Amino acid sequence: AQSVAQPEDQVNVAEGNPLTVKCTYSVSGNPYLFWYVQYPNRGLQFLLKYITGDNLVKGSYGFEAEFNKSQTSFHLKKPSALVSDSALYFCAVTLPGERQLTFGSGTQLTVLP
Amino acid sequence: KAGVTQTPRYLIKTRGQQVTLSCSPISGHRSVSWYQQTPGQGLQFLFEYFSETQRNKGNFPGRFSGRQFSNSRSEMNVSTLELGDSALYLCASSLALAETYEQYFGPGTRLTVT
Repeated sequence: AQSVAQPEDQVNVAEGNPLTVKCTYSVSGNPYLFWYVQYPNRGLQFLLKYITGDNLVKGSYGFEAEFNKSQTSFHLKKPSALVSDSALYFCAVTLPGERQLTFGSGTQLTVLP
Repeated sequence: KAGVTQTPRYLIKTRGQQVTLSCSPISGHRSVSWYQQTPGQGLQFLFEYFSETQRNKGNFPGRFSGRQFSNSRSEMNVSTLELGDSALYLCASSLALAETYEQYFGPGTRLTVT
């Protein structure tokens, strides 16, 4: 069975500072990894994915994530946080040939002005 | 291109009733998945439909069912509603082609069971 852990329920960062939202995963096989963001009363918006290739993946709104196979991690990063980045972030995993996403518990990111 | 649409957006039902939720995927997308989001359990996979066939099903009781039509629109039905079914139900669509695994989510249907 696959699982995703987001060890921090809440991350606070000052505007302009770099941000990191952590994600580790457990799967049997090669994972396909995703980050989604959810704003209040909205569905999930796709940010980025890792399928294969370069371990550093760039996505929407200046976000990027690094796939680390040895540490089974896929942390989300942004060099300079904006107040508008404040939202709930979810990491998710699936396997090749599947489309069932297994989500982490979510991390509430608050960017302080 | 229009996004995933879900109707209704909000629904209030009484325990024991049944409910049907609708999802229209992005044009050209053939895969539709349903997820339940609650504060306690987080996001949980319900089922996925592709070409009118259920391909995968999560760990939910048989009260939860779905179907997909030839135009890829999908419906989800919950019978004999329980208080614990109160949740945000999210629909997601995907092209379902190799290396295009990202799913695009609708705004959700907020179901409240009283």
